[in-house]
Amino acid sequence: AQSVSQHNHHVILSEAASLELGCNYSYGGTVNLFWYVQYPGQHLQLLLKYFSGDPLVKGIKGFEAEFIKSKFSFNLRKPSVQWSDTAEYFCAVNARGNTPLVFGKGTRLSVIA
Amino acid sequence: GAGVSQSPSNKVTEKGKDVELRCDPISGHTALYWYRQSLGQGLEFLIYFQGNSAPDKSGLPSDRFSAERTGGSVSTLTIQRTQQEDSAVYLCASSSGGVGEGSWEQYFGPGTRLTVT
Repeated sequence: AQSVSQHNHHVILSEAASLELGCNYSYGGTVNLFWYVQYPGQHLQLLLKYFSGDPLVKGIKGFEAEFIKSKFSFNLRKPSVQWSDTAEYFCAVNARGNTPLVFGKGTRLSVIA
Repeated sequence: GAGVSQSPSNKVTEKGKDVELRCDPISGHTALYWYRQSLGQGLEFLIYFQGNSAPDKSGLPSDRFSAERTGGSVSTLTIQRTQQEDSAVYLCASSSGGVGEGSWEQYFGPGTRLTVT
């Protein structure tokens, strides 16, 4: 069965600090990988996705993620966070195609001034 | 066009009552998913519909949960004899359902917050 592990439950950063959120997955086949974000009071939004090709993917709002197949990892990064990045971040994986997503438990990011 | 919509946005019900939650996917999307988001369990898959195929019910937690999708569009998730542990946010997502990578992205609705008292 697929599983997703997010290493950090809650991360607190100052504005302009760099961010890296860890995500590892367990699955025996080829996967799609996603990061979703949920801002306070809002619904899940797609931040970025990886299907195939270049393992370094860029998403919205300056976020990027790198797929490292040998490590089963898909870590999320941003060079300089802003207060508006305060949100909960979910890593998700599914099998290739239109298949259900398996989510990590989420990482809450708090950015302080 | 419009995104995924869900109704009601909030539902409070008494233990033992039945509830119905509705999802309107993005027009033309053939794949529809239900998920549940709760404090203890995080985000969990419940059920998946793809076109006219039999749904994948592998995520339903008990036989009190069922879902249908009429006319390949609107879906209703029904929870019978609700229990307090059913309290959660129920999320619906849809994707265009095609064979190419561009059709695999899932778009989420705002969810229905269910509280069982």
